[in-house]
Amino acid sequence: AQSVTQPDIHITVSEGASLELRCNYSYGATPYLFWYVQSPGQGLQLLLKYFSGDTLVQGIKGFEAEFKRSQSSFNLRKPSVHWSDAAEYFCAVGPYNQGGKLIFGQGTELSVKP
Amino acid sequence: DVKVTQSSRYLVKRTGEKVFLECVQDMDHENMFWYRQDPGLGLRLIYFSYDVKMKEKGDIPEGYSVSREKKERFSLILESASTNQTSMYLCASTSHRASGGYSTYEQYFGPGTRLTVT
Repeated sequence: AQSVTQPDIHITVSEGASLELRCNYSYGATPYLFWYVQSPGQGLQLLLKYFSGDTLVQGIKGFEAEFKRSQSSFNLRKPSVHWSDAAEYFCAVGPYNQGGKLIFGQGTELSVKP
Repeated sequence: DVKVTQSSRYLVKRTGEKVFLECVQDMDHENMFWYRQDPGLGLRLIYFSYDVKMKEKGDIPEGYSVSREKKERFSLILESASTNQTSMYLCASTSHRASGGYSTYEQYFGPGTRLTVT
């Protein structure tokens, strides 16, 4: 079955520390992969996406993610976390039809300690 | 920039009321989506539409209907609101056509409507 798993429901890191959020997917072909961020009470904003080419993709706000086909993973990283990065992060995979349906993971909530 | 707007940020309705949530996008996108978001459950797809007057059920369509009379507008309808429909509702849009002849299928989201049914 097609699915997305974010194993960590909640992660706490210290400001200035590095961050890695995990995402594993199940998909029948080469996927389009996305990371979104949601600040409290807001909609989702796209951080980065992968659909072909270089497996290391750069996004906004200093985030990057690496597509590893052999591990069916698309982990999100940031070398130094800022307090403003505290938010919920969603990984998504698709599309499942021409309509562009995506499957979203359950999200990882990031807290940042001063 | 793509803009997706939703008619209300916060809404309080009574059980049994008919509720309309409106979503408008300004990028001429063919595809539009309605999700609900609940703690620990992520985003769950309610309905989506890939063209005017076309709709398809998502994962949790029960208790909801949709309407798409114009390309830019996608409405979610709760025919008779119930307390278990208290949630955050998110609208999104995307295009399966893009410059260069292919789409990357990224979805653009509205700010969300937090609906409380009492």
